[in-house]
Amino acid sequence: AQKITQTQPGMFVQEKEAVTLDCTYDTSDQSYGLFWYKQPSSGEMIFLIYQGSYDEQNATEGRYSLNFQKARKSANLVISASQLGDSAMYFCVAAGNKLTFGGGTRVLVKP
Amino acid sequence: EAQVTQNPRYLITVTGKKLTVTCSQNMNHEYMSWYRQDPGLGLRQIYYSMNVEVTDKGDVPEGYKVSRKEKRNFPLILESPSPNQTSLYFCAIKPRGEYGTDTQYFGPGTRLTVL
Repeated sequence: AQKITQTQPGMFVQEKEAVTLDCTYDTSDQSYGLFWYKQPSSGEMIFLIYQGSYDEQNATEGRYSLNFQKARKSANLVISASQLGDSAMYFCVAAGNKLTFGGGTRVLVKP
Repeated sequence: EAQVTQNPRYLITVTGKKLTVTCSQNMNHEYMSWYRQDPGLGLRQIYYSMNVEVTDKGDVPEGYKVSRKEKRNFPLILESPSPNQTSLYFCAIKPRGEYGTDTQYFGPGTRLTVL
Protein backbone atom coordinates (compact mmCIF):
# COMPACT_ATOMS: atom_id res chain seq x y z
CA ALA A 1 0.00 0.00 0.00
CA GLN A 2 1.11 3.53 -0.66
CA LYS A 3 0.28 6.76 1.07
CA ILE A 4 1.11 10.32 0.09
CA THR A 5 0.95 13.25 2.50
CA GLN A 6 0.95 16.89 1.47
CA THR A 7 0.82 18.98 4.62
CA GLN A 8 0.29 22.36 2.98
CA PRO A 9 -3.32 22.78 1.87
CA GLY A 10 -2.62 26.21 0.40
CA MET A 11 0.04 28.85 0.10
CA PHE A 12 0.76 32.23 -1.38
CA VAL A 13 3.96 33.01 -3.19
CA GLN A 14 5.25 36.26 -4.61
CA GLU A 15 5.81 36.36 -8.34
CA LYS A 16 9.44 35.63 -9.32
CA GLU A 17 10.19 33.96 -6.00
CA ALA A 18 10.83 30.24 -5.51
CA VAL A 19 8.39 28.01 -3.69
CA THR A 20 8.76 24.56 -2.18
CA LEU A 21 5.82 22.19 -1.98
CA ASP A 22 6.19 19.44 0.59
CA CYS A 23 5.45 15.79 -0.01
CA THR A 24 6.15 12.74 2.09
CA TYR A 25 5.34 9.23 1.04
CA ASP A 26 5.02 5.83 2.56
CA THR A 27 5.51 2.72 0.49
CA SER A 28 6.69 -0.82 1.03
CA ASP A 29 7.78 -1.19 -2.59
CA GLN A 30 11.48 -1.47 -3.28
CA SER A 31 11.14 0.28 -6.59
CA TYR A 32 8.71 3.10 -7.13
CA GLY A 33 8.18 6.36 -8.94
CA LEU A 34 7.14 9.75 -7.70
CA PHE A 35 5.43 12.40 -9.76
CA TRP A 36 4.10 15.87 -9.50
CA TYR A 37 1.04 16.96 -11.42
CA LYS A 38 -0.38 20.45 -11.82
CA GLN A 39 -4.08 21.13 -12.04
CA PRO A 40 -5.01 24.67 -13.06
CA SER A 41 -8.48 26.07 -12.55
CA SER A 42 -9.50 24.75 -15.95
CA GLY A 43 -9.34 21.27 -14.44
CA GLU A 44 -6.92 19.33 -16.61
CA MET A 45 -4.10 17.32 -15.06
CA ILE A 46 -0.66 18.26 -16.34
CA PHE A 47 2.38 16.08 -15.77
CA LEU A 48 5.32 18.10 -14.40
CA ILE A 49 8.18 15.89 -13.25
CA TYR A 50 9.13 12.31 -12.43
CA GLN A 51 11.64 10.79 -9.99
CA GLY A 52 12.47 7.11 -9.92
CA SER A 53 13.39 5.63 -6.57
CA TYR A 54 16.74 4.44 -7.92
CA ASP A 55 17.62 7.69 -9.66
CA GLU A 56 20.68 9.08 -7.96
CA GLN A 57 20.21 12.62 -9.17
CA ASN A 58 17.27 14.83 -8.40
CA ALA A 59 15.00 15.32 -11.37
CA THR A 60 14.75 18.72 -13.02
CA GLU A 61 12.42 19.97 -15.76
CA GLY A 62 12.85 23.62 -16.60
CA ARG A 63 11.75 25.65 -13.58
CA TYR A 64 10.68 22.52 -11.72
CA SER A 65 13.00 20.44 -9.61
CA LEU A 66 12.32 17.59 -7.28
CA ASN A 67 14.18 17.49 -3.99
CA PHE A 68 14.24 13.73 -3.40
CA GLN A 69 15.40 12.55 0.01
CA LYS A 70 14.90 8.82 0.06
CA ALA A 71 15.86 8.25 3.67
CA ARG A 72 13.31 10.80 4.77
CA LYS A 73 10.77 9.57 2.24
CA SER A 74 10.22 13.05 0.95
CA ALA A 75 9.86 14.32 -2.61
CA ASN A 76 9.41 18.06 -2.43
CA LEU A 77 8.72 20.09 -5.57
CA VAL A 78 10.61 23.33 -6.02
CA ILE A 79 9.29 25.89 -8.49
CA SER A 80 11.81 28.59 -9.23
CA ALA A 81 10.95 32.09 -10.43
CA SER A 82 7.20 31.71 -9.91
CA GLN A 83 4.90 33.02 -12.60
CA LEU A 84 1.26 33.99 -12.41
CA GLY A 85 0.45 30.96 -14.53
CA ASP A 86 1.82 28.73 -11.79
CA SER A 87 -1.30 29.38 -9.72
CA ALA A 88 -2.89 25.97 -9.53
CA MET A 89 -3.38 22.89 -7.42
CA TYR A 90 -0.34 20.63 -7.22
CA PHE A 91 -0.48 16.92 -6.52
CA CYS A 92 2.31 14.65 -5.38
CA VAL A 93 1.79 11.13 -6.68
CA ALA A 94 3.30 7.71 -6.04
CA ALA A 95 3.31 5.17 -8.81
CA GLY A 96 2.57 1.51 -8.99
CA ASN A 97 -0.13 -0.17 -11.05
CA LYS A 98 -2.25 2.70 -9.93
CA LEU A 99 -1.33 6.19 -8.92
CA THR A 100 -1.76 7.21 -5.30
CA PHE A 101 -2.41 10.91 -4.97
CA GLY A 102 -1.80 13.26 -2.10
CA GLY A 103 -4.52 15.69 -1.10
CA GLY A 104 -2.93 18.51 -3.05
CA THR A 105 -1.51 21.97 -2.33
CA ARG A 106 -3.14 25.05 -3.79
CA VAL A 107 -0.62 27.67 -4.86
CA LEU A 108 -1.60 31.26 -5.54
CA VAL A 109 1.05 33.47 -7.10
CA LYS A 110 0.73 37.14 -6.21
CA PRO A 111 1.86 39.83 -8.67
CA GLU B 1 2.06 12.46 -28.80
CA ALA B 2 -0.33 10.47 -26.66
CA GLN B 3 -3.81 11.93 -26.56
CA VAL B 4 -6.73 11.01 -24.37
CA THR B 5 -10.22 12.27 -25.11
CA GLN B 6 -13.24 12.12 -22.87
CA ASN B 7 -16.88 12.80 -23.61
CA PRO B 8 -18.88 14.51 -22.41
CA ARG B 9 -16.83 17.15 -20.66
CA TYR B 10 -19.77 18.27 -18.57
CA LEU B 11 -22.90 16.36 -17.63
CA ILE B 12 -25.79 17.06 -15.33
CA THR B 13 -28.15 14.17 -14.79
CA VAL B 14 -30.67 12.81 -12.32
CA THR B 15 -30.49 9.93 -9.90
CA GLY B 16 -30.97 6.55 -11.50
CA LYS B 17 -30.55 7.52 -15.13
CA LYS B 18 -27.88 5.34 -16.68
CA LEU B 19 -24.97 7.16 -18.29
CA THR B 20 -21.69 6.40 -20.00
CA VAL B 21 -18.57 8.52 -20.09
CA THR B 22 -16.36 7.62 -23.01
CA CYS B 23 -12.59 7.58 -23.07
CA SER B 24 -10.49 6.99 -26.12
CA GLN B 25 -6.78 7.14 -26.91
CA ASN B 26 -4.92 7.52 -30.15
CA MET B 27 -1.77 5.53 -29.36
CA ASN B 28 -2.84 1.90 -28.95
CA HIS B 29 -1.57 1.76 -25.38
CA GLU B 30 -2.52 -1.24 -23.32
CA TYR B 31 -3.10 0.35 -19.93
CA MET B 32 -6.08 2.61 -19.28
CA SER B 33 -7.59 3.76 -16.04
CA TRP B 34 -10.42 5.81 -14.52
CA TYR B 35 -10.12 8.14 -11.53
CA ARG B 36 -12.45 10.39 -9.66
CA GLN B 37 -11.37 13.56 -7.95
CA ASP B 38 -13.11 14.94 -4.91
CA PRO B 39 -12.12 17.91 -2.74
CA GLY B 40 -9.68 16.94 -0.02
CA LEU B 41 -9.41 13.37 -1.28
CA GLY B 42 -7.16 13.80 -4.29
CA LEU B 43 -7.69 11.37 -7.12
CA ARG B 44 -8.86 7.86 -6.42
CA GLN B 45 -8.77 5.02 -8.88
CA ILE B 46 -12.08 3.48 -9.88
CA TYR B 47 -11.08 0.79 -12.40
CA TYR B 48 -8.15 0.01 -14.58
CA SER B 49 -7.49 -2.17 -17.58
CA MET B 50 -4.23 -3.85 -18.48
CA ASN B 51 -5.42 -4.87 -21.95
CA VAL B 52 -8.45 -5.75 -24.03
CA GLU B 53 -10.96 -7.75 -21.95
CA VAL B 54 -8.76 -7.37 -18.86
CA THR B 55 -10.17 -5.04 -16.21
CA ASP B 56 -9.75 -4.81 -12.47
CA LYS B 57 -11.11 -2.82 -9.57
CA GLY B 58 -9.32 0.15 -8.15
CA ASP B 59 -9.97 1.75 -4.77
CA VAL B 60 -13.54 2.93 -5.30
CA PRO B 61 -15.29 0.68 -7.84
CA GLU B 62 -18.74 0.58 -6.22
CA GLY B 63 -21.45 1.94 -8.47
CA TYR B 64 -19.31 1.81 -11.62
CA LYS B 65 -18.74 -0.58 -14.48
CA VAL B 66 -16.20 -0.54 -17.28
CA SER B 67 -15.59 -2.45 -20.45
CA ARG B 68 -12.58 -2.89 -22.70
CA LYS B 69 -13.71 -4.44 -25.93
CA GLU B 70 -11.06 -2.72 -27.98
CA LYS B 71 -7.75 -1.22 -27.11
CA ARG B 72 -8.52 2.40 -27.89
CA ASN B 73 -11.73 2.74 -25.84
CA PHE B 74 -12.44 2.37 -22.13
CA PRO B 75 -15.92 3.63 -21.25
CA LEU B 76 -17.06 4.23 -17.69
CA ILE B 77 -20.64 3.21 -17.02
CA LEU B 78 -22.86 4.37 -14.20
CA GLU B 79 -25.88 2.05 -14.25
CA SER B 80 -27.81 3.97 -11.61
CA PRO B 81 -26.05 7.20 -10.71
CA SER B 82 -26.45 8.66 -7.26
CA PRO B 83 -25.61 12.12 -5.91
CA ASN B 84 -22.46 10.81 -4.19
CA GLN B 85 -21.06 10.13 -7.65
CA THR B 86 -21.01 13.83 -8.38
CA SER B 87 -17.34 14.34 -9.09
CA LEU B 88 -14.65 15.17 -11.60
CA TYR B 89 -13.62 12.09 -13.56
CA PHE B 90 -10.35 11.49 -15.34
CA CYS B 91 -9.37 8.81 -17.79
CA ALA B 92 -5.66 8.04 -18.01
CA ILE B 93 -3.35 6.01 -20.18
CA LYS B 94 0.08 4.67 -19.45
CA PRO B 95 2.45 4.67 -22.41
CA ARG B 96 5.50 2.50 -22.22
CA GLY B 97 9.02 3.70 -22.58
CA GLU B 98 8.55 7.26 -21.44
CA TYR B 99 10.10 8.43 -18.22
CA GLY B 100 9.54 5.71 -15.69
CA THR B 101 7.25 2.86 -16.51
CA ASP B 102 4.45 4.42 -14.54
CA THR B 103 3.87 7.80 -16.13
CA GLN B 104 0.20 8.28 -16.82
CA TYR B 105 -1.34 10.86 -19.09
CA PHE B 106 -4.76 12.17 -18.29
CA GLY B 107 -7.74 13.12 -20.35
CA PRO B 108 -9.28 16.57 -19.95
CA GLY B 109 -11.77 15.45 -17.31
CA THR B 110 -15.54 15.05 -17.14
CA ARG B 111 -17.45 17.03 -14.57
CA LEU B 112 -20.50 15.05 -13.56
CA THR B 113 -23.34 16.33 -11.40
CA VAL B 114 -26.03 13.92 -10.26
CA LEU B 115 -29.13 15.61 -8.89
